[in-house]
Amino acid sequence: QVTLKESGPGMLQPSKTLSLTCSFSGFSLSTSGMVVSWIRQPSGKSLEWLAAIDWDGDKYYNPSLKSRLTVSKDTSNTQVFLKITSVDIADTATYYCATGYYTLFAYWGQGTLVTVSS
Amino acid sequence: EIVLTQSPTTTAASPGEKVTITCLASSSVSNMYWYQQKSGASPKLLIYSTSSLASGVPDRFSGSGSGTSYSLTINTMEAEDAATYYCQQWSSNPPTFGAGTKLELK
Repeated sequence: QVTLKESGPGMLQPSKTLSLTCSFSGFSLSTSGMVVSWIRQPSGKSLEWLAAIDWDGDKYYNPSLKSRLTVSKDTSNTQVFLKITSVDIADTATYYCATGYYTLFAYWGQGTLVTVSS
Repeated sequence: EIVLTQSPTTTAASPGEKVTITCLASSSVSNMYWYQQKSGASPKLLIYSTSSLASGVPDRFSGSGSGTSYSLTINTMEAEDAATYYCQQWSSNPPTFGAGTKLELK
């Protein structure tokens, strides 16, 4: 059974760096074709893909946010991380991690709400 | 990036009624994905590769389309189908989502 769970700070101040963790089980990120993505959703709005890392360690970023994003994974391939620098109010959202083969978002975590506020 | 335009934005259907949601892409895409999101929950994959049902999805859901025009159809509306539906493409980077269609029970 594939499960993913996001964790984050809940709230942080503008200009700080947001660090998120996606902990997962039920699949191996070292399996050829597997990809873990980060996707966010402001309250009442649509979904925005942020970044992804694949089984080979290759990283992909949304060009609109690329300069602020860093995606990585741990050596045991059970966690994926996302850092967003210089956050502002517009980064307030629920952040999801999702996985699947190549371009598929087959499984999603429950999401973690991040509020940026002074 | 490819912009996906969904219509309608909001709609309502009675039980047993047929519902069709359209997704138009700003450039041609090779495949479309559809997700269902209920209030307070994560999105759930419904349709992949334009017309393939994800595991456990009732067969009253179907997807079709090609090029720049895609659709999701619910053959017979059920109360549990009330949700917001999103189309999504990853034929070109970055992957993008439509703005969503809110489906309500009439």
